[in-house]
Amino acid sequence: AQKITQTQPGMFVQEKEAVTLDCTYDTSDPSYGLFWYKQPSSGEMIFLIYQGSYDQQNATEGRYSLNFQKARKSANLVISASQLGDSAMYFCAMREFMNRDDKIIFGKGTRLHILP
Amino acid sequence: DVKVTQSSRYLVKRTGEKVFLECVQDMDHENMFWYRQDPGLGLRLIYFSYDVKMKEKGDIPEGYSVSREKKERFSLILESASTNQTSMYLCASRELASNNEQFFGPGTRLTVL
Repeated sequence: AQKITQTQPGMFVQEKEAVTLDCTYDTSDPSYGLFWYKQPSSGEMIFLIYQGSYDQQNATEGRYSLNFQKARKSANLVISASQLGDSAMYFCAMREFMNRDDKIIFGKGTRLHILP
Repeated sequence: DVKVTQSSRYLVKRTGEKVFLECVQDMDHENMFWYRQDPGLGLRLIYFSYDVKMKEKGDIPEGYSVSREKKERFSLILESASTNQTSMYLCASRELASNNEQFFGPGTRLTVL
C-alpha cells in the first residue's frame, strides 16, 4: 500500500488564485513528520514546509501553509496568491520517527501549472 | 549553506558499462540517500547510509550498489548499466535525528544507450 498518496497528477490554476495540493498518508507510527518539496523545471528539490505529528498548529511559511488534518491523515499544501514562478512539480513526503530505517518516503507528485 | 554536489548533471553510458555516480555533502551529515526519479513514479529510494561503511537497501536496490568510505561522500554504482536504468538520480543528505528536511543535490540525468 502506498504510504503517500497525491491524487492530482496535474493542475492548472489562474495566476493570483489560491491553490490546494492534496496529500494523504498512511502510517501507524504515532510520531512522524510531513514535508512538501517543490521541483522547478531546473530539477533541484526545494524544501517548502514541515509539519510534525504532534504540532498543535498548522505550519505556515510565507505564502505556503499546510492544512493538517490528523484524523483524516491529510496534509494538503495551500499556496496563497499563486505566481507564475509557482509552476513546478510538488512532492509530499513523510518520515516515520519510530521506524528504524529513518527514511523519507515521497509521493508521486503533482505538476502545477500557473496560467497568466 | 548546506551544499550537496553531484559529479555530473548529464551522463550518457552504454549498456553493460560500469557507472559511478558521486555525491558529496559539506555539512557533516550522517545520513545520505540515493533516489531515482521517473515520470509518474515520484522519487524512489535506492539505497541509504547512516554512517561510514554502513548501507541499507531502499525500495528498489536491484541493479545498484553503494559505497561510503568517507562521511561526506556517498557513491552509487551501476555494475552493468541497462537501458531501464535511464533516469534522473538524486542524492540527499540529512543530520541524524533531525526533524529538518533533507538537502538534495542538483541531480544527474543518466541515459543508458
